Amino acid sequence: GESVGLHLPTLSVQEGDNSIINCAYSNSASDYFIWYKQESEKGPQFIIDIRSNMDKRQGQRVTVLLNKTVKHLSLQIAATQPGDSAVYFCAENMAGGSEKLVFGKGMKLTVNP
Amino acid sequence: KAGVTQTPRYLIKTRGQQVTLSCSPISGHRSVSWYQQTPGQGLQFLFEYFSETQRNKGNFPGRFSGRQFSNSRSEMNVSTLELGDSALYLCASSLGHPATNEKLFFGSGTQLSVL
Repeated sequence: GESVGLHLPTLSVQEGDNSIINCAYSNSASDYFIWYKQESEKGPQFIIDIRSNMDKRQGQRVTVLLNKTVKHLSLQIAATQPGDSAVYFCAENMAGGSEKLVFGKGMKLTVNP
Repeated sequence: KAGVTQTPRYLIKTRGQQVTLSCSPISGHRSVSWYQQTPGQGLQFLFEYFSETQRNKGNFPGRFSGRQFSNSRSEMNVSTLELGDSALYLCASSLGHPATNEKLFFGSGTQLSVL
C-alpha cells in the first residue's frame, strides 16, 4: 500500500520533463533485467525488460539502458505524466538461480503538475 | 484474461496465530512465486512452486510454508505469527519452467497486520 514508498529515495520532476531512474544490480552473472512500477494499493506492474546481450531497449515512452561493465541499469521515461507517479523497482535474474527475480530497493517518482 | 488474484486483500491477526493466504495465477501459468514486501526490506523472495513442487526457497524461517495445487493455485501459510511478519504478501505467476528467464505478473497482494 502507501507504506511501500516509505524510506525510499525520491525523484521529483515536473510534468512533461524526462525522468531517469537508476539502479545498481548486484550479480555480474545476471542475464535478465526487468523494470516494475508499483502504484499505491497495487502489486508491481511490468514496464520493460532487457536481456544481457543487449544494451538498450525501447518501449512506449520508456527506454532501458544496461551497462554490464559497471552493473548499472537505468529507466528513462519521456514526457513524464502525473500517472507515472509510483515506486519503480529494478529486478535481476540469473537463469537457473535460486530466486526467480531479485529486486532492488526501489525509487519513488513524484510528478508535479 | 483475468490477472493474478489474491485473497484476502486485508488481514488482521494477533501474535501466535496462524494465517493462510491464497493465490490464483493467470490461466495457463504454472509457476507461482511468493514475495514479502516491507518498507524497510523491500521485496524479499519467499518461495516458488511449479507443478505442485517447491522449486526454490528464500531465506525465511520454517514458519513460512506454501503449497501448490494441481490447478496451479497456491497457498502460503505463516504459523506462530510475530509482529515482524506484518507486510504485504505478493504472489506472482509466470508461464513456464522456473529455470528460464521470464517476467512475473503480480497480484495486488494481501496486506497482513499482526497486532
